[in-house]
Amino acid sequence: QVQLVQSGAEVKEPGSSVKVSCKTSGDTFNNYAITWVRQAPGKGLEWMGGTIPMFGTAKYAQKFQGRVTMTADESTSTAYMELSSLRSEDTAVYYCSTELLYCNRTNCFTIKFDPWGQGTQVTVSS
Amino acid sequence: SDELTQPPSVSVSPGQTARITCSGDALPNQYAYWYQQKSGQAPILVMYKDTERPSGIPERFSGSSSGTTVTLTISGVQAEDEADYYCQSVDSSGTWVFGGGTKLTVL
Repeated sequence: QVQLVQSGAEVKEPGSSVKVSCKTSGDTFNNYAITWVRQAPGKGLEWMGGTIPMFGTAKYAQKFQGRVTMTADESTSTAYMELSSLRSEDTAVYYCSTELLYCNRTNCFTIKFDPWGQGTQVTVSS
Repeated sequence: SDELTQPPSVSVSPGQTARITCSGDALPNQYAYWYQQKSGQAPILVMYKDTERPSGIPERFSGSSSGTTVTLTISGVQAEDEADYYCQSVDSSGTWVFGGGTKLTVL
């Protein structure tokens, strides 16, 4: 069973960048994507994007295109989400999740998103 | 519309059945996923691919799908089921989207 442990809370100034880590254990990156979701205070869940470490690919929500970079280091089984040009509206809890995939020769299909990390609070304030 | 629509709140008494719906135009062609989120905690997957229950999730949780609506049913609701519930699916552009969430109150 994969377990995810995220990095600690961050306080950042507007215009700066934040990099959140998500360390996996109990399994390798094989057959998993890492998905990132955020939740602003009192609001719902928002999908930001994801990366498939075994292919080295990433896909981002249009809203974050140009501002977010999602990567993975297979040697340390750690995924990263970096968000730049921070503004107050980016204040949120950021979650990573493993997306279990089934891949054939031509395509990958999602089985489930499970488990999730504990979340990382990012506060953007001057 | 690519949005997923959930009722903001559902209230039931202990032991009753709670049904939480999620509507979206793409749902006839895409699987839905359901998450339970208790206050201050990370979401937990309670249903995937419309009707599949992850290991460790009580049997009182079930899922169904009909046309543009998927439903999470909790039979014999217990106080510990009080939480926010979110549905998730893929929109027409291949982007994952979440419903706005439903607050389940156990009276």
